[in-house]
Amino acid sequence: QQKVQQSPESLIVPEGAMTSLNCTFSDSASQYFAWYRQHSGKAPKALMSIFSNGEKEEGRFTIHLNKASLHFSLHIRDSQPSDSALYLCAVSRTNTNKVVFGTGTRLQVLP
Amino acid sequence: EAAVTQSPRNKVAVTGGKVTLSCNQTNNHNNMYWYRQDTGHGLRLIHYSYGAGSTEKGDIPDGYKASRPSQENFSLILELATPSQTSVYFCASGDAGTANERLFFGHGTKLSVL
Repeated sequence: QQKVQQSPESLIVPEGAMTSLNCTFSDSASQYFAWYRQHSGKAPKALMSIFSNGEKEEGRFTIHLNKASLHFSLHIRDSQPSDSALYLCAVSRTNTNKVVFGTGTRLQVLP
Repeated sequence: EAAVTQSPRNKVAVTGGKVTLSCNQTNNHNNMYWYRQDTGHGLRLIHYSYGAGSTEKGDIPDGYKASRPSQENFSLILELATPSQTSVYFCASGDAGTANERLFFGHGTKLSVL
């Protein structure tokens, strides 16, 4: 059974800071890696995803994936108070379509 | 954007009663999912489906059944509800095997079992 763990559990950063969130997974055959963001009382919403080793950047958000280390991360440049939310990582094998989520990191960005 | 609609938004049930949570998507996605969310546990997968007529067990299927009668609809059934099933339930849908694969979530159903 796929195990997906996130760290830290919670994080408080000042506005303008670089924020780094981590996700580790147990299934080395995983092929889909994604980050979702959930504001309080709302549904989770996809931020970005990556399929191959390396880095992918979209605006202020960057994903790093290292399959050999069973680890990927999300980096938020110039963090904003509107980035305050629960961040969830997700992993799956595309041939099974079973998408498993991590336990979440709660981020608070102080003005 | 993809639309996923859950009903009801809120539900109060009695222990031992039957509860059915419904989910409808209008984007012709093959895959649909049911998750529950509890503090400290993120989203945990209960059941999922590849298409009409199929259901697969997720990581925490005990006490739950699922039904996918059509491409658009996916239901979660609690035959004998227990207080431990008090939670927020999210339905999601998404395309499989595409480079831009992502899940789209409904707004959630808050279930309280008394």
